[in-house]
Amino acid sequence: EAGVTQFPSHSVIEKGQTVTLRCDPISGHDNLYWYRRVMGKEIKFLLHFVKESKQDESGMPNNRFLAERTGGTYSTLKVQPAELEDSGVYFCASSQARGYTGELFFGEGSRLTVL
Amino acid sequence: AQSVSQHNHHVILSEAASLELGCNYSYGGTVNLFWYVQYPGQHLQLLLKYFSGDPLVKGIKGFEAEFIKSKFSFNLRKPSVQWSDTAEYFCAVNPTGTASKLTFGTGTRLQVTL
Repeated sequence: EAGVTQFPSHSVIEKGQTVTLRCDPISGHDNLYWYRRVMGKEIKFLLHFVKESKQDESGMPNNRFLAERTGGTYSTLKVQPAELEDSGVYFCASSQARGYTGELFFGEGSRLTVL
Repeated sequence: AQSVSQHNHHVILSEAASLELGCNYSYGGTVNLFWYVQYPGQHLQLLLKYFSGDPLVKGIKGFEAEFIKSKFSFNLRKPSVQWSDTAEYFCAVNPTGTASKLTFGTGTRLQVTL
């Protein structure tokens, strides 16, 4: 079974540019989460999709961040325009809708460097 | 809002030494507790979890953790570490009964030397 995949693994952009990160969850997982880790700090929740609907987006830093999950499959996270403080590792995770076991399955993360 | 503290940021141990990583949380209600691990170059994966019942939980690779409610703690232990345990370890919580967001600690980087 394929795990959660994220693309790109590393992106280096200039301040003011736009970056789009993609996450493909495990097939059949309705729950999809985005998290972010800024260097040396805790992994912080950004938002949670259930299928194509945003269940909780309380962790989104500001309106420069836009997440979508069209058709309830893969998700994208766009940062526009990027700022220096957006640098970090963006993790995507997924879990099943029913029989919640508490386990989130994470991707390897997308490292974003804003210069 | 809940918070998680991991006091050890970087731990260096020799092989066969015993390990205990501290985790304390702050939350007014009941919580589910987790330890995740990230090996070098790999994704985060679940080591163990506590929902209810026996406060001593066993996970993969010989790890265990004890939930002490009175201390709001969920420390991770392993009697004898191996070089392959070199990784970063994260404690996390979420409110009981929800499938919602996890709150993570800052992580503890464990380095095991031969």
